[in-house]
Amino acid sequence: AQTVTQSQPEMSVQEAETVTLSCTYDTSESDYYLFWYKQPPSRQMILVIRQEAYKQQNATENRFSVNFQKAAKSFSLKISDSQLGDAAMYFCAYRSGGTYKYIFGTGTRLKVLA
Amino acid sequence: DGGITQSPKYLFRKEGQNVTLSCEQNLNHDAMYWYRQDPGQGLRLIYYSQIVNDFQKGDIAEGYSVSREKKESFPLTVTSAQKNPTAFYLCASSTGGTQPQHFGDGTRLSIL
Repeated sequence: AQTVTQSQPEMSVQEAETVTLSCTYDTSESDYYLFWYKQPPSRQMILVIRQEAYKQQNATENRFSVNFQKAAKSFSLKISDSQLGDAAMYFCAYRSGGTYKYIFGTGTRLKVLA
Repeated sequence: DGGITQSPKYLFRKEGQNVTLSCEQNLNHDAMYWYRQDPGQGLRLIYYSQIVNDFQKGDIAEGYSVSREKKESFPLTVTSAQKNPTAFYLCASSTGGTQPQHFGDGTRLSIL
């Protein structure tokens, strides 16, 4: 069965600095998708970035980028120029291309220090 | 605007009572999902449905039931068999492919 592991329960970063959140996954599939979601205190789930496994190029969305290492089954999220509004829980998620079922990691709580 | 509507925002359950959480989407998505989130925890899948009149159990289906009679609606019933129902419940939908899940704003269920 596929699993998603986020080994950092909590991280802190100074405002304007860069932070990397780690995510590893286990799968025997070759066709899959990976996502990072942000959940601020409002508890609304917001998509941050997505990556298709067949794409070698790392996805980027403004200050957010991923380091996708397919062989290592690693999907880390880098946040550059951190802002106070980035403080939230961040969840990594996996979905096999053959199903509609998503598997979430346990989350990393990010604190941004002024 | 298209989106997912969960109601109510807050719900209280008495001992031995069944309660139903509503989830409606107007995104024309095929798949819908229910997740449970406990304080400081991740999302655990309760049930999901890929098409109308069909649904599959997730990791923690015991004490819950669902129906999918219409594409737009996927209500979740928390039965009296669920002994620890206090949690935050999130409904989501997706269309598959590279598209991510879209989430509702959640329902917080508490025991009276």
